[in-house]
Amino acid sequence: EVQLLESGGGLVQPGGSLRLSCAASGFSFSSYTMSWVRQAPGKGLEWVSGISVGGGSSTYYADSVKGRFTISRDNSKNTLYLQMNSLRADDTAVYYCAKRYCSGSNCGGFDIWGQGTMVTVSS
Amino acid sequence: DIQMTQSPSTLSASVGDRVTITCRASQTISSWLAWYQQKPGKAPKFLIYKASSLESGVPSRFSGSGSGTEFTLTISSLQPDDFATYYCQQYNSYPLTFGQGTRLETK
Repeated sequence: EVQLLESGGGLVQPGGSLRLSCAASGFSFSSYTMSWVRQAPGKGLEWVSGISVGGGSSTYYADSVKGRFTISRDNSKNTLYLQMNSLRADDTAVYYCAKRYCSGSNCGGFDIWGQGTMVTVSS
Repeated sequence: DIQMTQSPSTLSASVGDRVTITCRASQTISSWLAWYQQKPGKAPKFLIYKASSLESGVPSRFSGSGSGTEFTLTISSLQPDDFATYYCQQYNSYPLTFGQGTRLETK
């Protein structure tokens, strides 16, 4: 079964750090672009960051997290990471990892999502 | 950045109705658009890619259309399980962006 399982969320003080993990199973993890998407309580979806296939030589960030968050992947462990530094109250959200859809030459959108992990930034 | 605007924000409808949700992009995105359904407390579900291609397993009452800057998601005959929030998302360029969502509620 194709599955993504996030972990690492929790309560952190403003200015603090947290590292999220996303364990993938059931598909060839290294062959897919992966992303993090978040959703603040009662709000819509916001794409946060993405990383390219293979070694992840290309990374992409939303302006709201650029310079504070770092995405990475360990293909030997089938795991995606999000290192979050200098956290702010407006980073409070459920964080989802998501697999990019790709079938032949049709690639785009996210076909597999994890269950999400909650990050709360508060003193 | 490409902004995605959905309308309406809320849609009231009844089982059996035909409903349409519109998504507009602030610049052309060709057909690089996806649609998702989300229910409270759950992760989004992938419905449509490339503006009009139905993901495997998604009921045929869902359909998408459009290209360039204007897109629609249509549900031909609403079923009880379809009441949820729907999001469009462009993948023409980074940063990827979502619409603000359309909440489909029971009339």
